[in-house]
Amino acid sequence: NAGVMQNPRHLVRRRGQEARLRCSPMKGHSHVYWYRQLPEEGLKFMVYLQKENIIDESGMPKERFSAEFPKEGPSILRIQQVVRGDSAAYFCASSQATETNYGYTFGSGTRLTVV
Amino acid sequence: GNSVTQMEGPVTLSEEAFLTINCTYTATGYPSLFWYVQYPGEGLQLLLKATKADDKGSNKGFEATYRKETTSFHLEKGSVQVSDSAVYFCALKGQAGTALIFGKGTTLSVSS
Repeated sequence: NAGVMQNPRHLVRRRGQEARLRCSPMKGHSHVYWYRQLPEEGLKFMVYLQKENIIDESGMPKERFSAEFPKEGPSILRIQQVVRGDSAAYFCASSQATETNYGYTFGSGTRLTVV
Repeated sequence: GNSVTQMEGPVTLSEEAFLTINCTYTATGYPSLFWYVQYPGEGLQLLLKATKADDKGSNKGFEATYRKETTSFHLEKGSVQVSDSAVYFCALKGQAGTALIFGKGTTLSVSS
């Protein structure tokens, strides 16, 4: 039973390009969460999605960032017109349910470098 | 809103030393509390959890007790090993439908 799969593991983009990060949740998990990890800042929540729905996007920057979790296929975090400040590790997590006592399973992350 | 505060690192210890990493939280209602560990270059792994007051979570020699009266969930281990070197995150999950909130992480470095 594969865990949460993220790809690519490393992504290099030039300023102004688009970055697409993919996340396939664990089998049986229908809740997906994206987090960003910056040095010295810990893990910041970005967005929470269920199939075809965005539940909470309170942590998403207002511009250039979007996320989706289609009926078929992985969840996608999309960053348009990347800037140097977008360089970070982006982690996806999934859970079976949203009740309080359910923990998350994390992927290994995508490390985005903007040059 | 909900928040988690954990002690700043890095924490540097010798092998077999006692470890405490402090974590306090602010939350409405009755959250669940978690400790996650992140090894270099990897994602986060759940270390232990507690879902109600006075519960003790434990795993791999680590333990933490959910103290509602002090709003704390301190991580402890009696004898650390070099292989415990990692970043440790305290996290809180509030009501259903909300996401996990993490502290900033504490880096632990254990030397032989």
